[in-house]
Amino acid sequence: GAGVSQSPRYKVAKRGQDVALRCDPISGHVSLFWYQQALGQGPEFLTYFQNEAQLDKSGLPSDRFFAERPEGSVSTLKIQRTQQEDSAVYLCASKTGVASGYTFGSGTRLTVV
Amino acid sequence: GQQVMQIPQYQHVQEGEDFTTYCNSSTTLSNIQWYKQRPGGHPVFLIQLVKSGEVKKQKRLTFQFGEAKKNSSLHITATQTTDVGTYFCAGRGTNAGKSTFGDGTTLTVKP
Repeated sequence: GAGVSQSPRYKVAKRGQDVALRCDPISGHVSLFWYQQALGQGPEFLTYFQNEAQLDKSGLPSDRFFAERPEGSVSTLKIQRTQQEDSAVYLCASKTGVASGYTFGSGTRLTVV
Repeated sequence: GQQVMQIPQYQHVQEGEDFTTYCNSSTTLSNIQWYKQRPGGHPVFLIQLVKSGEVKKQKRLTFQFGEAKKNSSLHITATQTTDVGTYFCAGRGTNAGKSTFGDGTTLTVKP
């Protein structure tokens, strides 16, 4: 597609509920990144993939967070047993290579109530 | 781990005044990128700097990368109301696939 597509755009989850956030990167972009952005802060790294391989997951806050990209294109970020501190905008970005800039999607705003 | 700090956090200027934001990394970077995020929007890539001492210009915007590749700046000449938003730097360490973002400088412009 023309840009990075994320869905849903907004998600309200009850505390303890599981959520799944989807990212459809730009076609042909090998690298895919997930960032978490809290209000008033910069994006914070969660994890990244090169094709289907998850090369770095050091930013995932806990084992409740899990990401996958099984066929090297669409990626899903799953959060189990959501907690209030998980409320944030989750940004997906793709890039053609290590040396290029990120193209971000519009993000998913997750609110845990 | 790598830390990236930006100052100032906020900057309010009168339209036509200049604006500068500064970015400092705790470690040497392989490159630094700058992004702009409008209120309610997502970060949009502006530019990437790679070489020590590099200076790049985009119309009224001037980007610099320090000689030690640990700091960078973005300068906007004669701000316009369309410049409002938050400007983020993002530094990529050597041997790192990810970039670390600063917390941004939010620019407001009074017409």
